[in-house]
Amino acid sequence: QSALTQPPSASGSPGQSVTISCTGTSSDVGGYNYVSWYQQHPGKAPKLMIYEVSKRPSGVPDRFSGSKSGNTASLTVSGLQAEDEADYYCSSYAGSNPIFGGGTKLTVL
Amino acid sequence: QVQLQESGPGLVKPSQTLSLTCTVSGGSISSGDYYWSWIRQPPGKGLEWIGYIYYSGSTYYNPSLKSRVTISVDTSKNQFSLKLSSVTAADTAVYYCASYPRSGSYLGAFDIWGQGTMVTVSS
Repeated sequence: QSALTQPPSASGSPGQSVTISCTGTSSDVGGYNYVSWYQQHPGKAPKLMIYEVSKRPSGVPDRFSGSKSGNTASLTVSGLQAEDEADYYCSSYAGSNPIFGGGTKLTVL
Repeated sequence: QVQLQESGPGLVKPSQTLSLTCTVSGGSISSGDYYWSWIRQPPGKGLEWIGYIYYSGSTYYNPSLKSRVTISVDTSKNQFSLKLSSVTAADTAVYYCASYPRSGSYLGAFDIWGQGTMVTVSS
């Protein structure tokens, strides 16, 4: 079972939008609508930002949105703010095992 | 509101067994609502799912670690535990416990995380 593929880095200026991709296979991302995204600040535990591809937990700003097309899921952060600078990980159900992406470091310029 | 807290030794010698416990507060581990999970993160690297357990004792493990991992549950103490045998330096990581909903909201996602505990494998 290979990890999901994410770009190692992404960046944008305050107020801009950035999209992070997460590519898997038909056995994980493409096969289930159970893709989730996590935000992790340095030294902190990951925080759930998106679940079931595009749903936001209560308290997560609507600047964060998720989508999926085929075997690739995406996280879009609109109206970038300084506090959005963090590592972002995708995850997908893959049968009986969840798998994670390698992570993307988002830099707010 | 459910909260999770990891505990255990921060230093383990190579070839020995790593043992960690996660205490669940604010809810019952026997509620049936969650799979109780372990996830790890080596320094500077990404997240790796280790496995999870249902309160009944049913377990699911990452195939890459399955031969060395045992996850157990103690419903009387509202705790679940991780044992990883024959550890090497490659097992040095922050270990997190997390909840993975089995029904209701947040399906297919790790919705609640412990703060994590750093475990170093070194002689």
